[in-house]
Amino acid sequence: NAGVMQNPRHLVRRRGQEARLRCSPMKGHSHVYWYRQLPEEGLKFMVYLQKENIIDESGMPKERFSAEFPKEGPSILRIQQVVRGDSAAYFCASSPSGTGGNSPLHFGNGTRLTVT
Amino acid sequence: GEDVEQSLFLSVREGDSSVINCTYTDSSSTYLYWYKQEPGAGLQLLTYIFSNMDMKQDQRLTVLLNKKDKHLSLRIADTQTGDSAIYFCAERPYSSASKIIFGSGTRLSIRP
Repeated sequence: NAGVMQNPRHLVRRRGQEARLRCSPMKGHSHVYWYRQLPEEGLKFMVYLQKENIIDESGMPKERFSAEFPKEGPSILRIQQVVRGDSAAYFCASSPSGTGGNSPLHFGNGTRLTVT
Repeated sequence: GEDVEQSLFLSVREGDSSVINCTYTDSSSTYLYWYKQEPGAGLQLLTYIFSNMDMKQDQRLTVLLNKKDKHLSLRIADTQTGDSAIYFCAERPYSSASKIIFGSGTRLSIRP
């Protein structure tokens, strides 16, 4: 029973390049969340998606960042024209249901993005 | 507003109990969670408590919730070296039920 799968584990990009981070939720989970963790800090919510819909993107920077969760395939977090401040660990989590009830998040091992 | 606060560090002797504390601001929180993060890994759900409960026990873990004071604690009995990690408190507020809000984490270190 595979957990949340994220790839790549480590990603190095030069300033100005694009970063694409992938997340496959746990089997049976249709809700995906992206969080960012800066060094020595907690997790900050970025975006919450269901299949083909963005439900809450209140934590996502308005520019350069986008996320999708297509009908088929993994969820993608895309960062265009990366800057050094984007260096962080990006965690994906999934749950079987979203709002209401007990629906704890199950996390992947993260993608560590380094911008040089 | 939504805010979760924890102390940053805790050092405990092996075999003693560890108590990690957390305060939150949203009184409408429905569920509160404790997650554990080991170096280089993602977050592992340890336990959770529904807001109408005062206490939950699960083997070596005891969660206490004081809803009046908006205070949550995690007690780890007989702390072992394998318990060294960062522990995150998190809440699911009713007002923003689509997301879970995390504290900054408490780094637990075990001394012999």
